[in-house]
Amino acid sequence: EPEVTQTPSHQVTQMGQEVILRCVPISNHLYFYWYRQILGQKVEFLVSFYNNEISEKSEIFDDQFSVERPDGSNFTLKIRSTKLEDSAMYFCASSLVSGGFGYTFGSGTRLTVV
Amino acid sequence: AQTVTQSQPEMSVQEAETVTLSCTYDTSESDYYLFWYKQPPSRQMILVIRQEAYKQQNATENRFSVNFQKAAKSFSLKISDSQLGDAAMYFCAYRSAKAGGTSYGKLTFGQGTILTVHP
Repeated sequence: EPEVTQTPSHQVTQMGQEVILRCVPISNHLYFYWYRQILGQKVEFLVSFYNNEISEKSEIFDDQFSVERPDGSNFTLKIRSTKLEDSAMYFCASSLVSGGFGYTFGSGTRLTVV
Repeated sequence: AQTVTQSQPEMSVQEAETVTLSCTYDTSESDYYLFWYKQPPSRQMILVIRQEAYKQQNATENRFSVNFQKAAKSFSLKISDSQLGDAAMYFCAYRSAKAGGTSYGKLTFGQGTILTVHP
């Protein structure tokens, strides 16, 4: 069964450093998403991406965050200057269509900011 | 905007017994999808069961079933014959069925319910 792959599984970074989280969505999917889950809390939507541009973003997704699909296969989330409160699990997901079933999550990247 | 509420922060059940996790949601849409995800300690998101709002028949997947009450906007998960491996955090989630709609397919999650299974 096709998978969404996320790397690394765990990343530790110093406060103020830039970090890039990587995702390889399912190859024929068209919609891509990032979610964040602070430990013990609910999963929160960050951003959706379609046709090489952001289609929707939440209030969490401020100027410190950016996404891109640099080579047609990878989908990255960049945090420019990490803060302690960015420590969380980050999930990538992809979908063939914007509605319907067929929504697949990656296994997540645990980001720890020290 | 849609909201999803899970009013039970924690639930517990004895092994082999049945437990029901509650979920309510608020939406003005008539067509949508509802999901239950399981999140074990590994924190991976595992799809348990899903329901299309236009289908009146409740979804079932082996020991997992839902009670979907569209008018009441309720979507509870029943786990029968509970097993130790069912212990996890469970999230209810909503997704619009509108292709290309303004929500662009994002999932809206509830706060989660921690399920403990006692041997």
